[in-house]
Amino acid sequence: DILINQSPASLTVSAGEKVTMSCKSSQSLLYSENNQDYLAWYQQKPGQFPKLLIYGASNRHTGVPDRFTGSGSGTDFTLTISSVQAEDLADYYCEQTYSYPYTFGAGTKLELK
Amino acid sequence: EVQLVESGGGLVQPGRSLKLSCAASGFTFSNYYMAWVRQAPKKGLEWVATISTSGSRTYYPDSVKGRFTISRDNAKSSLYLQMNSLKSEDTATYYCARGLPGYRAPFDYWGQGVMVTVSS
Repeated sequence: DILINQSPASLTVSAGEKVTMSCKSSQSLLYSENNQDYLAWYQQKPGQFPKLLIYGASNRHTGVPDRFTGSGSGTDFTLTISSVQAEDLADYYCEQTYSYPYTFGAGTKLELK
Repeated sequence: EVQLVESGGGLVQPGRSLKLSCAASGFTFSNYYMAWVRQAPKKGLEWVATISTSGSRTYYPDSVKGRFTISRDNAKSSLYLQMNSLKSEDTATYYCARGLPGYRAPFDYWGQGVMVTVSS
């Protein structure tokens, strides 16, 4: 199974700050035949279901604000929020869909000061 | 508007069975891979099962393989999860989710979730 290590476990920031969180996989998520990374990021607000933010490591899903940016390739990936808003308070998860069983990181909890 | 509505959750004793359902609307159900993902209380997300568009291919992690069965009825736009030999560690909120079009796709729409509690 592909292991996903997500860090940090929690982040406390002020509104307007830039935030980065990391996701590292135990093996490459880059599929050589199409040069695509199979890594997604989700946002889960308290009491809600998860919502897809980023797929293919760097593609924003429909309706996702452009302050959210996914980057990285292979085994190292980053989610950046350029200017955190109060509504971004949530847990963030990365997921690999390179191979079954699909696996998630343990999550990063974003808290606001 | 895409909607996924789960039902069938509840309290069940260890070793017993339960069947979850997910009613889909707002899209052509038969064109999409579908999945179940669960979340234990105060814990992270765990993928549980995926089924192909026709239902001919299914995938499970070892934690549920042989106990859970995912199925679908494209005529009814419905997804199911038959859970047998339930254990306390199966206690979680179960989400029905739609796969993005394409191979190895993540999940672009999720239901609100249904709670399953396994306890004597």
